Amino acid sequence: QSALTQEASVSGTVGQKVTLSCTGNSDDVGTYAVGWYQQISHGAPKTVMFGNSLPSGIPDRFSGSKSGTTASLTISGLQPEDEGDYFCSTWDYSLSAVIFGGGTRLTVL
Amino acid sequence: QVQLQESGPGLVKPSQTLSLTCSVSGGSISGGAYYWSWIRQPAGKGLEWIGRIFISGGTNYNPSLKSRATISADTSKNQFSLNLRSVTAADTAVYYCARSGSSSWSLEYWGQGTLVTASS
Repeated sequence: QSALTQEASVSGTVGQKVTLSCTGNSDDVGTYAVGWYQQISHGAPKTVMFGNSLPSGIPDRFSGSKSGTTASLTISGLQPEDEGDYFCSTWDYSLSAVIFGGGTRLTVL
Repeated sequence: QVQLQESGPGLVKPSQTLSLTCSVSGGSISGGAYYWSWIRQPAGKGLEWIGRIFISGGTNYNPSLKSRATISADTSKNQFSLNLRSVTAADTAVYYCARSGSSSWSLEYWGQGTLVTASS
C-alpha cells in the first residue's frame, strides 16, 4: 500500500481537461510541495511539475495545485503524447523519507 | 545539463549484495546543495525510494530498507553508489538514480535505469 493515494486510472479525449489527484496527510502533502513524474512506456520518469512550478521544456498545458492534504495535476488540452503513468511524490516529515503515490495510468481516448 | 547513468551487474544471487554505481556528468556531485537518490521499480509496479546522500551532510533511507541499504559517494570519480545486502527475489527491479532540484526531496534529473534480477 502506497503512502500517497492516487487514482488507479484516468482517461480523457484529445483536447479535454483532466485532473489527477494525490492525497496524503499533514506530515507530507499538507506541509511539503508535491512533485509529479511522468513515465511513458516504462521508460525513465520525467518531472512534469514540482509544486506549481513548470520545469523547462514541459508544455504549459500542465499545471499543479494543492488544497490541504490533496495535490492535483491538471492537463488542459490533453494530447496523445500525454498518455502514460503519473506518479506523485513528496517528503514525509515523520519518516524522514521521500514517499510516492501508487501512480495513475492516464489513457488518451 | 546534468546526466546520470546507472551501472552494475544485471544478475545477483539471493542472499548476496546488490551493488550499483551512478556516474554523473555535466556537474559535480559535491557542488551545490543537491541530494542524490536511488529509486527502484519492480516490473508492473510503482516507484519506491531507497535513500539519498548529501555529499557534505549525510544520508537518509527508506525505513523499510534502512537495515540493508548503504549509499556512498566517490567525489574523485563523480559517482555515488548503492549497496543492498541479503537480496531476495523481491529486490528484482529497475533501479534508477536521480538528483534533486531546488527542494531537497524533488527528483529533477533521472538516469535511464538498470534492471537487476535476483535469482540463482
